[in-house]
Order: sequence, then C-alpha cells, then structure tokens
Amino acid sequence: GAVVSQHPSWVICKSGTSVKIECRSLDFQATTMFWYRQFPKQSLMLMATSNEGSKATYEQGVEKDKFLINHASLTLSTLTVTSAHPEDSSFYICSATPGQGAQQYFGPGTRLTVT
Amino acid sequence: DQQVKQNSPSLSVQEGRISILNCDYTNSMFDYFLWYKKYPAEGPTFLISISSIKDKNEDGRFTVFLNKSAKHLSLHIVPSQPGDSAVYFCAASASSWGGGGNKLTFGTGTQLKVEL
Repeated sequence: GAVVSQHPSWVICKSGTSVKIECRSLDFQATTMFWYRQFPKQSLMLMATSNEGSKATYEQGVEKDKFLINHASLTLSTLTVTSAHPEDSSFYICSATPGQGAQQYFGPGTRLTVT
Repeated sequence: DQQVKQNSPSLSVQEGRISILNCDYTNSMFDYFLWYKKYPAEGPTFLISISSIKDKNEDGRFTVFLNKSAKHLSLHIVPSQPGDSAVYFCAASASSWGGGGNKLTFGTGTQLKVEL
C-alpha cells in the first residue's frame, strides 16, 4: 500500500527557534499534500492544503507566515514552524494523495514540543 | 464550529459483541464520508468510506451506515476484537470544494476499548 513518512517523529526546540518537518510519499507521486495538527484528545484540524509547485492554501485562522509550507516536488512537502512558541506544541500530521478524488494516506505524525 | 461531531468520547465493548460508533454532521455540502482508526502517536489509518449516494457500505467486519436526512453516520464493527481498541475518527468531504476536493473535516474521535 501507499506509504507516507514524516521526519522527525518527535522534536524538542527552544522558544523562538524554527523547526522544519518533512513529509514524503515513498511509493507514489503526491499531487496534493495536507497538513493537520492535533491537540490532545481533540480532532485533527486541517492547517493547509499544498499542491506541488504552487502556494499552499491555508485554512482560516492559520498564520501563513508562521507555518511555512513548501511542496517543491511530487514526493516531498515541508512544514516550517517559525519562531516557535510553547503554544505551538502539538502533534503535526501530514497526508498525501495521488490526485483529487483519491484516498489520502497519512504519515505517522511529528510530536513538537517547544520549551 | 465543529461541523463533524462524535458525541461519545469513549465506548467499551466486550470481545465478540458489536461496536457501534456514531457521527453527526451539520454541513449539507458533505457528500463523502470516511472512518479512520488511530493509535496514539501514529497517523490515522483508513478503514471504510461511503458516498452520499449510498446508505450502506460493508467491508468484512466493518459496515458504515449513512442517514442523509438525519445527517448521521455510524460504523458497526462485528465481531469486535481486542485489536480494534483505538481511537476512531469519522471525516467528511465535499466534492464541491474544487481544488481541495479531498479536504477532510474530522470529528473529535471516539476511544473504543474492546475487553476480553
């Protein structure tokens, strides 16, 4: 089946620093990738939709300058949390799909802790 | 506002019995629904889906029922097994979202525990 990886699986950083999370589709080309965040015991909240070669579309309330998304190739999207603060601590999950109408395949997630 | 709701945060069922997980939605534009299973610190795993043109879809032990008039769907697992213990999320999508046609709105999840 389709595999999506995320790196790192967990990261601890100091407040004010930036952190980059990678999302890769290992055995298919992902025309679209999605980034979600999940707080403990809460739902997965869509942050942004990323199409290869174009700017990401952010959901309402998500700061595009804080959460930088790059989808430079059909197998890689990155999420950079800039000037991280403790309230950015969360579980970030990406998903990838080979095309509109196709199933989304989720990565294993990245646990970010900002101290 | 929470457009997809799972009102039961947890459910406990005995092994071999039926598990019924419920999901309600408010957005009438949703026309495709999915159920995912999730373990802690892992990404969701797709289980089963249903299009709004159907009212039932079955795959092995998993059956999803859709009641469009009530904006309600449910996931039935029978027989339940200890390995089914996980958090289950329902999700909804609207084909009219154009470029974001796969954009999913998730419910809050139900923790299922299947006891021996």
